[in-house]
Amino acid sequence: DIVMTQTPLSLSVTPGQPASISCKSSQSLLHSDGKTYLYWYLQKPGQSPQLLIYEVSSRFSGVPDRFSGSGSGTDFTLKISRVEAEDVGVYYCMQGIHLPLTFGPGTKVDIK
Amino acid sequence: EVQLVESGGVVVQPGGSLRLSCAASGFTFDDYTMHWVRQAPGKGLEWVSLISWDGGSTYYADSVKGRFTISRDNSKNSLYLQMNSLRTEDTALYYCAKALMRYVWGSYSLDYWGQGTLVTVSS
Repeated sequence: DIVMTQTPLSLSVTPGQPASISCKSSQSLLHSDGKTYLYWYLQKPGQSPQLLIYEVSSRFSGVPDRFSGSGSGTDFTLKISRVEAEDVGVYYCMQGIHLPLTFGPGTKVDIK
Repeated sequence: EVQLVESGGVVVQPGGSLRLSCAASGFTFDDYTMHWVRQAPGKGLEWVSLISWDGGSTYYADSVKGRFTISRDNSKNSLYLQMNSLRTEDTALYYCAKALMRYVWGSYSLDYWGQGTLVTVSS
């Protein structure tokens, strides 16, 4: 199975400041079709996970442009340019290239 | 608007059985692979199973293989998870989720998730 790791596991951010979360996979997520299947989800308190970023860097419908994703191969990053209060929750990365699908352990983001 | 509504979660004894359901609306259900993902209390996300748009292909996490069966009824826009030989470690909130892209196999994605249904396995 592909192992997903995330750093840091928790993050406390001042509103308006940037934040960055790293995700690493134990194998390359580059598919033979040329796409890289890395996803980012946010689970707000008491809610279901919601898709933020798909295929490394594409924002899902309705996701604010302060969220961006980057990376390749096995190393990926989610950046929030200016954190807002509504961004609190747990962020998960997930790989979609090999079954079983696997998630990172999650990064808990709160507001200072 | 995409809606996924899970049901069927209850308290069950170890060794017992349960069937979860997920009612889908707001999209063409039989165009998409569907998934079950679970979350134990206070823990992270664990993928459980998937089924192709036509029901012809399924896959399971090792932790549930041989005990759980995923199925779908495209005429009813519904997804199911039959859970047998339940263990205490199966206690979790079970989410159904829809694939991002239609008719895709060989790469996998989840976009919309339901609100979850809680399964508690306890004596």
